[in-house]
Amino acid sequence: QKEVEQDPGPLSVPEGAIVSLNCTYSNSAFQYFMWYRQYSRKGPELLMYTYSSGNKEDGRFTAQVDKSSKYISLFIRDSQPSDSATYLCAMSEGSGGSNYKLTFGKGTLLTVNP
Amino acid sequence: GAVVSQHPSRVICKSGTSVKIECRSLDFQATTMFWYRQFPKQSLMLMATSNEGSKATYEQGVEKDKFLINHASLTLSTLTVTSAHPEDSSFYICSASRRGEPQHFGDGTRLSIL
Repeated sequence: QKEVEQDPGPLSVPEGAIVSLNCTYSNSAFQYFMWYRQYSRKGPELLMYTYSSGNKEDGRFTAQVDKSSKYISLFIRDSQPSDSATYLCAMSEGSGGSNYKLTFGKGTLLTVNP
Repeated sequence: GAVVSQHPSRVICKSGTSVKIECRSLDFQATTMFWYRQFPKQSLMLMATSNEGSKATYEQGVEKDKFLINHASLTLSTLTVTSAHPEDSSFYICSASRRGEPQHFGDGTRLSIL
């Protein structure tokens, strides 16, 4: 079993839809959780960063962490064509220094159709 | 804030050439920089972790003599692919972080060895 599982999609939705992206993990030592967005031929861009169970909201994006179930989600409200990208979940055991190695999911390719 | 610049964005060169890629944190001092490799439609694969002023820590299977990493200052790390061959063609991405904060990524370097 891989440490982080993420459905690679592809996921195609109409503009304005609510998008739900998910990752599960097996390592209970993971404490920090991130979502990155990666456009084609670009580096990943940090969207959300959290280290506690519960919800964190930033504009149209909501990150949800459930440490008891080892499950994280990213919700995108009112999705736009510009949200079309690959979304990567990432997690680590600690922050800073060598403890901050990230373990990535495979990424989910999202297309938002106008 | 937290801008990471990577240069060059694209390199095409002949087999046997050595190629240097620079990674700079433009508006913060990075305690740690990371180098990744990404194959098409795959997630990021960590190659090495680099702390300023000390030797890089390479992941298993990554040849340290092939991929030379120098982290001379808190804002600059370089990756040199020595005597590059076609199998080294890939998308190389760096990231930088301060202690306690998430990684921020550069826009990557697409390396093509002919």
